[in-house]
Amino acid sequence: SQTIHQWPATLVQPVGSPLSLECTVEGTSNPNLYWYRQAAGRGLQLLFYSVGIGQISSEVPQNLSASRPQDRQFILSSKKLLLSDSGFYLCAWSPGLDVVDTQYFGPGTRLTVL
Amino acid sequence: GQNIDQPTEMTATEGAIVQINCTYQTSGFNGLFWYQQHAGEAPTFLSYNVLDGLEEKGRFSSFLSRSKGYSYLLLKELQMKDSASYLCAVRGAGTALIFGKGTTLSVSS
Repeated sequence: SQTIHQWPATLVQPVGSPLSLECTVEGTSNPNLYWYRQAAGRGLQLLFYSVGIGQISSEVPQNLSASRPQDRQFILSSKKLLLSDSGFYLCAWSPGLDVVDTQYFGPGTRLTVL
Repeated sequence: GQNIDQPTEMTATEGAIVQINCTYQTSGFNGLFWYQQHAGEAPTFLSYNVLDGLEEKGRFSSFLSRSKGYSYLLLKELQMKDSASYLCAVRGAGTALIFGKGTTLSVSS
């Protein structure tokens, strides 16, 4: 069966500091991978998605970036965090094989920028 | 533009039936998803509709009308553990899912 991991689970960072969140998927090959952010009182916002190694699509312009150095690894980064970057960051994967292509979420990272 | 609307909050009692509505306006349509999200946790997949009609999965059912841009999630025999947010999401013309803000359901005894 497939499992998705994210770390860290929680993070408190000062404004202006760098960020690196990691997501890995086990039990599948060549998945589609996604980064979402969920801010308080708002819906899930898609930040980036990837259909293969080195292929990143950005949905929202911001001070965040994403990379996919390996097939089942997806990294979210920032050089300088803003207060508005606080939120619940969720990684998701989908098989990318059929029309349904259901997305399955990891446990998330709760980021607080102070 | 693209928009998904759901009620913000709903309340119900144990054993009852509740219907959570979702209306959408998107560029293209390639399926509608429902997710359950307990407080502080990640969303978990509940159901998927791509054709009009009702999909039943145990106590949960989901209905879709593409011509009306409308879906609902029906929860039967409510239990306390069903207290959660329910997210409606639509896949439009692209790969991405567009999520509504979610409906927070509170089940009381």
